[in-house]
Amino acid sequence: AQKVTQAQTEISVVEKEDVTLDCVYETRDTTYYLFWYKQPPSGELVFLIRRNSFDEQNEISGRYSWNFQKSTSSFNFTITASQVVDSAVYFCALSRYNQGGKLIFGQGTELSVKP
Amino acid sequence: NAGVTQTPKFQVLKTGQSMTLQCAQDMNHEYMSWYRQDPGMGLRLIHYSVGAGITDQGEVPNGYNVSRSTTEDFPLRLLSAAPSQTSVYFCASRSDPGGVGEKLFFGSGTQLSVL
Repeated sequence: AQKVTQAQTEISVVEKEDVTLDCVYETRDTTYYLFWYKQPPSGELVFLIRRNSFDEQNEISGRYSWNFQKSTSSFNFTITASQVVDSAVYFCALSRYNQGGKLIFGQGTELSVKP
Repeated sequence: NAGVTQTPKFQVLKTGQSMTLQCAQDMNHEYMSWYRQDPGMGLRLIHYSVGAGITDQGEVPNGYNVSRSTTEDFPLRLLSAAPSQTSVYFCASRSDPGGVGEKLFFGSGTQLSVL
């Protein structure tokens, strides 16, 4: 069975702090996809990144970076120099390689960035 | 380009009432799906469709019906609403049902309360 665990339910930081959101997944598949989505207070789901299982290179996009470690089944997300606009619920998700539309979501981590 | 459109945005029902949540996409996507979001549980897949005339169950299908008569529309029906169906519902679509890379496009959500 596939499973995604985001153990951090809520995180609170002060603006400009760095923050890492943890994501641990379980799957027996050798090929799969991992995702991060952001849900701001307005409620919509914003796609952040997709990573396939055979590409373990870390990725950086502005203040966002992702660390994929297959050996520990983790796909952690770091926000550098956090801003108030980063306040949101962040979801990590997993899909099988040939079922890209069927996502298994983690419970979500609510990030609060205070000025 | 409207993307994925859900209506209504908010709905209050009494136990036992029926209703249909509407979802339409204008991107000619083959794959469409419905998720529900509950606190502490992330998003869970209710039903999905890989094309007109084809539907299948997701993780939590009980109490919900779907049909897919056109590529554009994928309504979700609650035949007899129960308080346990109080949730936020998201419709999503993508172009390739089993594809390897494209993200899911999400609607803005429907907040449903069953009293």
